[in-house]
Amino acid sequence: DAGITQSPRYKITETGRQVTLMCHQTWSHSYMFWYRQDLGHGLRLIYYSAAADITDKGEVPDGYVVSRSKTENFPLTLESATRSQTSVYFCASGRGSGANVLTFGAGSRLTVL
Amino acid sequence: AQSVAQPEDQVNVAEGNPLTVKCTYSVSGNPYLFWYVQYPNRGLQFLLKYITGDNLVKGSYGFEAEFNKSQTSFHLKKPSALVSDSALYFCAVRRHNAGNMLTFGGGTRLMVKP
Repeated sequence: DAGITQSPRYKITETGRQVTLMCHQTWSHSYMFWYRQDLGHGLRLIYYSAAADITDKGEVPDGYVVSRSKTENFPLTLESATRSQTSVYFCASGRGSGANVLTFGAGSRLTVL
Repeated sequence: AQSVAQPEDQVNVAEGNPLTVKCTYSVSGNPYLFWYVQYPNRGLQFLLKYITGDNLVKGSYGFEAEFNKSQTSFHLKKPSALVSDSALYFCAVRRHNAGNMLTFGGGTRLMVKP
């Protein structure tokens, strides 16, 4: 199916564990993004990627790692999860910068105990 | 640096009445401005955007927004609210020639009552 899909949709983990959130898009958009959504903070950019093998930090990158070996995939890894990383994570993709619109996935709700 | 402020956490309006969701921004240079909507347990969906030109922008589902450069505002409006418009609305800004740093406001929850 065309679109942008995130998995898992829901995840509960413990402090210190590694967690990977997956994001897959079928439009061959060059840009992909990871945001986290927290009450009182809106959406904050974690990392983004302009193309395969090109990634850059956003506003809140600490504690996260990304990779982009293929255009369609952009996984987000929490190497050692902390309670402060409990959040809803959204992946988005777009054709480029400027006025181009982003398309968002349905989100991954992560709880770190 | 760029920032967006949505001063109201929640807006309540009766069905059939006009609605306004406020947004002000701060950016150096010319902005691209966006409104997105989020329904429960869903990702954000694009509503409309301002690039340049006409200050009144029309978007999806009967929504429109007015760009006011002197007040650095981009308020979202709709002449007649529907119960189905109830959702979380986000304003976002990106500076021209500033790559992909799209900055979102904190969101405003719109509640439309029958």
